[in-house]
Amino acid sequence: DTEVTQTPKHLVMGMTNKKSLKCEQHMGHRAMYWYKQKAKKPPELMFVYSYEKLSINESVPSRFSPECPNSSLLNLHLHALQPEDSALYLCASSQESRTSSYEQYFGPGTRLTVT
Amino acid sequence: AQKVTQAQTEISVVEKEDVTLDCVYETRDTTYYLFWYKQPPSGELVFLIRRNSFDEQNEISGRYSWNFQKSTSSFNFTITASQVVDSAVYFCALSEANFGNEKLTFGTGTRLTIIP
Repeated sequence: DTEVTQTPKHLVMGMTNKKSLKCEQHMGHRAMYWYKQKAKKPPELMFVYSYEKLSINESVPSRFSPECPNSSLLNLHLHALQPEDSALYLCASSQESRTSSYEQYFGPGTRLTVT
Repeated sequence: AQKVTQAQTEISVVEKEDVTLDCVYETRDTTYYLFWYKQPPSGELVFLIRRNSFDEQNEISGRYSWNFQKSTSSFNFTITASQVVDSAVYFCALSEANFGNEKLTFGTGTRLTIIP
């Protein structure tokens, strides 16, 4: 099973709202990622968690707050977003290794619209 | 710094034709990994292949084949006898050997349209 699930599929929120995106995998992967993808662009890395600890933050604004409650779950908490934050948010997971770089498996994404 | 170039922004071919998607990469590392992903209109990125820098063997999987040439820093992808279901955006990506801090550098993608 190489499935990564994400909820919700679509989200519309106002600039004063607080919402959360959820991601789950049951492949035993210890690395999990959040990406942002604008239309007709490649995915941009936002955060990387390794063994439930934040290992990479790509200078993402604080209105995006990641959380990794356990090895299977990854959340992205959203607060006071701007219209330009509207995008497809993708979660991914991969094996973690100190000796190799493994493929990432992506979820279907959450399409976020900020009004 | 690493870089991936997919010079073909959009390609259209008639069904059953063969098509090759080009990928050229830049890296200073001697150990690195190359990937291809497919993104259909539904939005999910689908992993297709992973290749490390020490393995230059070409690979074939059904109608898909990959040609890795270190001498030209290229990792090209060929679809044989294309089908409408192959219509998607294809991304080539590179990961350097920063073990434990995996960062994929994506190319800008090639939008492939298969015309019935």
